[in-house]
Amino acid sequence: DAGVIQSPRHEVTEMGQEVTLRCKPISGHDYLFWYRQTMMRGLELLIYFNNNVPIDDSGMPEDRFSAKMPNASFSTLKIQPSEPRDSAVYFCASRRTETYEQYFGPGTRLTVT
Amino acid sequence: DAKTTQPPSMDCAEGRAANLPCNHSTISGNEYVYWYRQIHSQGPQYIIHGLKNNETNEMASLIITEDRKSSTLILPHATLRDTAVYYCIVTIGANSKLTFGKGITLSVRP
Repeated sequence: DAGVIQSPRHEVTEMGQEVTLRCKPISGHDYLFWYRQTMMRGLELLIYFNNNVPIDDSGMPEDRFSAKMPNASFSTLKIQPSEPRDSAVYFCASRRTETYEQYFGPGTRLTVT
Repeated sequence: DAKTTQPPSMDCAEGRAANLPCNHSTISGNEYVYWYRQIHSQGPQYIIHGLKNNETNEMASLIITEDRKSSTLILPHATLRDTAVYYCIVTIGANSKLTFGKGITLSVRP
C-alpha cells in the first residue's frame, strides 16, 4: 500500500500566481480531506469529500481556494491568486467509511513570496 | 464537538512509560476520544480511539475515566522515535471532522 500521495512536496511561487496541489488517496478509501497547517493557526480542516462529492467546505478560507475530486483516485486544491499568507503545509488525508482512522499524506509545503 | 485541554509539553526517559493526560469535561455520550500524533515534518498518524472502555493496540493504551471527563494515553515503553506532538480529539463517532488543538509535545530523552 503506497499510502496517500501528494505532489508536489514543495512549491515556491510568487504572489498572484495560481497554485495547484494534488492528492491521490489510498485505493478503496471513500473519504478525502484537505488540511492546512501553520504555526499561528495549527492544523485546520479545509474541506472534505465523500464518494467524490464535497460534503463540508466551511473551512475553506475564501473564494481564492477551490477543491475538486473528479474521480475516486485524484483530488486537487487550487489557490488563485496566491498570497503570502497562504504559505503553509497542506495535508491530504483519506479514510474508509467502515473505519475511524484517517491516513495522512506527507504534505505539500507551500511558500508564496 | 467537545473541547479538550492538554498540557503543552512533557518529557520522559527512554524505556519508561509515557502517560499523556487529556481533559474533556464537556464530552457528550456519543462522542469518542481519538489520539493522533505528529512527528516533526510528517503528517499526523492515528494512534487509538475509544468511547467508554479502555482500549489497547500495538502502539498504545487508552484509559478513559468512568465519568469520561478525562483520559490518558499510555505509551508503555517510550523510544526516541516517540518524540512528537500528541493530539487528543473528541468528536462524534466516525464523524469525519477532526478538530486539532495545540496538542502536547512529548520529548523522550535518552
